[in-house]
Amino acid sequence: AQSVSQHNHHVILSEAASLELGCNYSYGGTVNLFWYVQYPGQHLQLLLKYFSGDPLVKGIKGFEAEFIKSKFSFNLRKPSVQWSDTAEYFCAVNDIAGNMLTFGGGTRLMVKP
Amino acid sequence: GAVVSQHPSWVICKSGTSVKIECRSLDFQATTMFWYRQFPKQSLMLMATSNEGSKATYEQGVEKDKFLINHASLTLSTLTVTSAHPEDSSFYICSAGGLGEQFFGPGTRLTVL
Repeated sequence: AQSVSQHNHHVILSEAASLELGCNYSYGGTVNLFWYVQYPGQHLQLLLKYFSGDPLVKGIKGFEAEFIKSKFSFNLRKPSVQWSDTAEYFCAVNDIAGNMLTFGGGTRLMVKP
Repeated sequence: GAVVSQHPSWVICKSGTSVKIECRSLDFQATTMFWYRQFPKQSLMLMATSNEGSKATYEQGVEKDKFLINHASLTLSTLTVTSAHPEDSSFYICSAGGLGEQFFGPGTRLTVL
C-alpha cells in the first residue's frame, strides 16, 4: 500500500518569503503525484501534477514542485508567497494502474501580511 | 477542467435520521467515483470507491451498512448516511476522474444534532 507524508503540519511565513513544503511517499511502482490546495471555506483545487517527463513541474499561481525519484519526494515551492496563499496544502499520490488517491496529512500555511 | 457537483452543500439533521448526499459529474462520465471524509483540521480519508453498476468497495474500518453507496449511472453516485449520530458530523467530499487525475466536488457539511 502506498503512503504519503507531509512533515510540516503548520507553516507561518511573512509575505515575500520563500516557501518549500515537503512531501514524501512510499510506493514501489510508478506513481502520479499531485499537490492540491484548499482555501478557507472552499473545496480542493489542483495546483499541479506530475505524470512523467520533466521532474520540475510548474503549476498555477507561481507554484512549482520537483519530483526526485531517488528520494521519493515531491516538494512544493514558491519563491515569494502572498497573503492570499494562506490555505491548506495536500500532497497526493496514486499508482498509474488505478485512480485511487492517497493523501498526505496536509500542511496549513498562514502568510502574515 | 471537469466539474463535479455535490448536493446538498450543508445539511443539519436530528440524530437517528438518514441523509443522502449526491455527487454528479457534470460534463463527463465516471465509472468510478470516490467518497472521502474530512474531519476539521485533518486530511481527507478515503471511505469507499463507488463503481457504476456494481457494489462499492469500502476501506477498512468503514461500516458498509452505515454508509450506503449507490452508483446508479455514469454521472451520479449517492452516499446515504443511515441513522446518523453526532459522531458522523463531518465534511464529505466526492471525486471522479480518470487517467490518474481526480476532480473534486465542493463537499457536503453534515451536522447531526
